[in-house]
Amino acid sequence: KNQVEQSPQSLIILEGKNCTLQCNYTVSPFSNLRWYKQDTGRGPVSLTIMTFSENTKSNGRYTATLDADTKQSSLHITASQLSDSASYICVVSANNNNDMRFGAGTRLTVKP
Amino acid sequence: IAGITQAPTSQILAAGRRMTLRCTQDMRHNAMYWYRQDLGLGLRLIHYSNTAGTTGKGEVPDGYSVSRANTDDFPLTLASAVPSQTSVYFCASSANRNTGELFFGEGSRLTVL
Repeated sequence: KNQVEQSPQSLIILEGKNCTLQCNYTVSPFSNLRWYKQDTGRGPVSLTIMTFSENTKSNGRYTATLDADTKQSSLHITASQLSDSASYICVVSANNNNDMRFGAGTRLTVKP
Repeated sequence: IAGITQAPTSQILAAGRRMTLRCTQDMRHNAMYWYRQDLGLGLRLIHYSNTAGTTGKGEVPDGYSVSRANTDDFPLTLASAVPSQTSVYFCASSANRNTGELFFGEGSRLTVL
């Protein structure tokens, strides 16, 4: 069983709408949680990194939240754009970068 | 700034052949990683190197080997390719092994027939 579960598996929204992606994890101990954006055929690109003490972090129209007690994170995308179409990957690190666990990703499609 | 460069971009390989995927970074990062990405699964760590001259095994190391002769280069070798090694391979680097942000290459798509 993957230690990082993401939902939904895929999502289609209209341009300009908001959406929220979910990430639940069982990784322990916990060091940090990251969200990455991966365009089709490209490598993942970092959006946010949060440590245990951080509840929320924003990067432009992307806002990530973290509840370390319930081991849940969300990525909220505001006023979606066509360029937001991509896979969004949740990554949880236990001790260091050698212990990172990747979720399978949520495939987001933004339609005009 | 180039960041991380991977080569080849894609390759079709006969089973049993030897193959080396190349990875070069120009950010002087200490740590480097090789992942494979398969449909429906999260990226899985194959091998890593925390600093030049050292390497370690990740989650799925069998059938793969790496070397880290210098800071910039981190090649991944498949000694005798098998069809289950068909995947997209990503090289990544970070300034340090602890909380440094990971920077990924654009990937190498490998098909083993």
